[in-house]
Amino acid sequence: AQKVTQAQTEISVVEKEDVTLDCVYETRDTTYYLFWYKQPPSGELVFLIRRNSFDEQNEISGRYSWNFQKSTSSFNFTITASQVVDSAVYFCALRGGSARQLTFGSGTQLTVLP
Amino acid sequence: KAGVTQTPRYLIKTRGQQVTLSCSPISGHRSVSWYQQTPGQGLQFLFEYFSETQRNKGNFPGRFSGRQFSNSRSEMNVSTLELGDSALYLCASSPPRAGGTDTQYFGPGTRLTVL
Repeated sequence: AQKVTQAQTEISVVEKEDVTLDCVYETRDTTYYLFWYKQPPSGELVFLIRRNSFDEQNEISGRYSWNFQKSTSSFNFTITASQVVDSAVYFCALRGGSARQLTFGSGTQLTVLP
Repeated sequence: KAGVTQTPRYLIKTRGQQVTLSCSPISGHRSVSWYQQTPGQGLQFLFEYFSETQRNKGNFPGRFSGRQFSNSRSEMNVSTLELGDSALYLCASSPPRAGGTDTQYFGPGTRLTVL
């Protein structure tokens, strides 16, 4: 069975603060894929990043960075210098190598206050 | 490229009715997946279609069904609606599998309310 845990239900920060969203996953597959999606109030899930299990290199994209650690089964997401437009629900998701569907975490509601 | 489109965006039905939701994938994408999102259960996988064949199915009752057409457009149908079917239904498409590139891109969703 696959499982994704996002322990932080809600996070509130003031603009320009850095914030880290946690994601812990469980899978028996040796090959798997991890994802982060952003869901603004409009409802659409916006793809942010995909990481393969065999690639533990961390990634930075502008103000976004991701820290993948297989040893702790974590795939955390950091927003540097947060902005009000970052306010949304963020989902971490897992797809095992043998599965076709995504298993989602429960999401973290991020509110960035001006 | 245009993104995934879903119609209608909002729908209100009453218990016992049936409903059909439509999804047009990104051009060139052949795989379409459907997910249900509710406040209580979160995002749950319904089914996936590829080349007009259901390739995978989640743990939902038989009232939930779907199909895919030769142009990769997909529909999902829910019969005998129940109050608990009120949800945001999201469709996602992904490109032909090549080298493991298989990211799912989501549409804006159809918000179904059952009264």
